[in-house]
Amino acid sequence: ILNVEQSPQSLHVQEGDSTNFTCSFPSSNFYALHWYRWETAKSPEALFVMTLNGDEKKKGRISATLNTKEGYSYLYIKGSQPEDSATYLCALKGLGTGRRALTFGSGTRLQVQP
Amino acid sequence: DVKVTQSSRYLVKRTGEKVFLECVQDMDHENMFWYRQDPGLGLRLIYFSYDVKMKEKGDIPEGYSVSREKKERFSLILESASTNQTSMYLCASSLSNEQFFGPGTRLTVL
Repeated sequence: ILNVEQSPQSLHVQEGDSTNFTCSFPSSNFYALHWYRWETAKSPEALFVMTLNGDEKKKGRISATLNTKEGYSYLYIKGSQPEDSATYLCALKGLGTGRRALTFGSGTRLQVQP
Repeated sequence: DVKVTQSSRYLVKRTGEKVFLECVQDMDHENMFWYRQDPGLGLRLIYFSYDVKMKEKGDIPEGYSVSREKKERFSLILESASTNQTSMYLCASSLSNEQFFGPGTRLTVL
């Protein structure tokens, strides 16, 4: 089983703060990295799919970077808002593992206080 | 928009009961997945299907089986429910990369 780790496990910030989380994974097995946002009582929804070393993706105030050589990705939220409160999941699609499905990390739970 | 639906949002069953969780997707996706989510453990893959009647075990298949008789429907079966199967169950489908998730079923086994 591929080891995908996320940190921190949870985060409480004030409205307007900028924040970031980390996803680390084994670089030798990398094929693609996914970020999902999971709001309470809703379905997880895809934020980004990243495949190339040095990739940077942006969606509004949320952006992500990828370093496949050292095996990590950062997710940044600029000027956090209460509606950003959710669990953020990263997931790895591995290569050469015989596994077709994604391997998910345990998530970072973000709470933004108004 | 891709839609993935699950038969129940909340379910309460008794130990030893046979439980069926149904998932339907409307986008003709080849791949369908069942996960369970427990606090601090993220999403763990139970079973995966890449075509009708085809299935692969995930990370935690023990105590579960699946059925994929039609492309749009993927069922998760708990042959004899146990209390340690109390969890949130999520279904997903995909064509290639991005997975689309259902709303989840919160199952409680008493």
